[in-house]
Amino acid sequence: GESVGLHLPTLSVQEGDNSIINCAYSNSASDYFIWYKQESGKGPQFIIDIRSNMDKRQGQRVTVLLNKTVKHLSLQIAATQPGDSAVYFCAENTGFQKLVFGTGTRLLVSP
Amino acid sequence: NAGVTQTPKFQVLKTGQSMTLQCAQDMNHNSMYWYRQDPGMGLRLIYYSASEGTTDKGEVPNGYNVSRLNKREFSLRLESAAPSQTSVYFCASSPNPQGNEKLFFGSGTQLSVL
Repeated sequence: GESVGLHLPTLSVQEGDNSIINCAYSNSASDYFIWYKQESGKGPQFIIDIRSNMDKRQGQRVTVLLNKTVKHLSLQIAATQPGDSAVYFCAENTGFQKLVFGTGTRLLVSP
Repeated sequence: NAGVTQTPKFQVLKTGQSMTLQCAQDMNHNSMYWYRQDPGMGLRLIYYSASEGTTDKGEVPNGYNVSRLNKREFSLRLESAAPSQTSVYFCASSPNPQGNEKLFFGSGTQLSVL
């Protein structure tokens, strides 16, 4: 599949920097959130998820933060690598079989 | 470990032609989905099947039909293709019939309707 959009917000970082990608969600009743990574020509790949009863979850080099007060989700990538270059988008579960996807942020990592 | 397999990867159709996109998953998942991805928009759900034997409309079902052939396979059919259906199509599956767990996606089908 193609990368999402021609005019995506873009975050440019240097290799080794920490990256923070933000997502505002719409439904205060959403109970589950996911971050996906999509490389050019590929399908979305699961990175990390978080349920609404948590405010932080850590994976390998990634951390997701959930702020329900302002309906904000962020993905932090530590020690960003060139292989992290991709489009990242969040998704919120708004109900039974109702996963709503954001449009994405393009992350560009320079060596 | 194949995961979710979609065919074909690319397809060009003329307006009015029909075709079926095939999808199979080998993870014994209950739920399967068809999404389309267009520039500037998030993935939009076309149809889903929460379990074998059931199918339901998603956000953008018009112009499409689906068949959950068995637990593994979920196909998407365009009966009379239109230029507005030019898009990248993704099949996905999930272990949870509620749909509130991570989805596993195929690699996509890039469809152009002329």
